[in-house]
Amino acid sequence: GAGVSQSPSNKVTEKGKDVELRCDPISGHTALYWYRQSLGQGLEFLIYFQGNSAPDKSGLPSDRFSAERTGGSVSTLTIQRTQQEDSAVYLCASSPGLAGGDLFGPGTRLTVL
Amino acid sequence: AQSVTQPDIHITVSEGASLELRCNYSYGATPYLFWYVQSPGQGLQLLLKYFSGDTLVQGIKGFEAEFKRSQSSFNLRKPSVHWSDAAEYFCAVVPGTSGTYKYIFGTGTRLKVLA
Repeated sequence: GAGVSQSPSNKVTEKGKDVELRCDPISGHTALYWYRQSLGQGLEFLIYFQGNSAPDKSGLPSDRFSAERTGGSVSTLTIQRTQQEDSAVYLCASSPGLAGGDLFGPGTRLTVL
Repeated sequence: AQSVTQPDIHITVSEGASLELRCNYSYGATPYLFWYVQSPGQGLQLLLKYFSGDTLVQGIKGFEAEFKRSQSSFNLRKPSVHWSDAAEYFCAVVPGTSGTYKYIFGTGTRLKVLA
C-alpha cells in the first residue's frame, strides 16, 4: 500500500502480558517515529529511528518499553509486563526527511485489562 | 521547557460559520509549526505546516494558519466550516534545529459542527 500500516489495529491483553505492535513504514522513508495517544497524557513522542543511527529513546516511559527497526524498514514496539496505564493508541509515522513531510499510520489501540 | 497550548478543549460552530482554533507555543527560537486533524477512529492527517517565509500558510481542505512571532501563536482558520470538518485538531511544534519530526503536541481542540 501507499501509506504507513500498523498491526494489529486492536489488541486486548491481560495485565502482565507482553505485547508487540508492528509498523510498516512507507518504502524508502529513512525516519520512523512512535507516538502514544492516551486520555490522560495526550499525544506523546516515544522513540525515533533515523537510518542506521542509534534510536532516540528519550520518550519511552519506562524500561518495559522497547522498540527495534529491522533492516531500516519494519519496526516493532514491545511492551513487557503490560499495565493498565499502557492502554492507549500507539501511532507510527515515517518520513523521508524533514522537508519531505511525514505520514502517520492508523494506529493500534491497546487495551490492558 | 517547550510546550504547546490549545486553550479551547471544545468548540462548537454552525455549518457555514467561520472558525478559528488557537495555538500558542513556548520555545526560545522559531520552531516549525504544524496543524493536524484526527477524525474519529482515524490517524493524524497533516493540514498545514510552517517552516519559514510567508507567515500565512495555506493548507488542505480550505484551512489556513498565520504565524505571529510576537504572540507566539499559530492559529488555524477556515472561512466557512463544513459538517465534515467535525474532528479533533492538534497543533504541534518541532524545534527548528532538530531536523526531525519529534513533535510536541498540544492537547487538542474537539470541533463540533451544527447543521
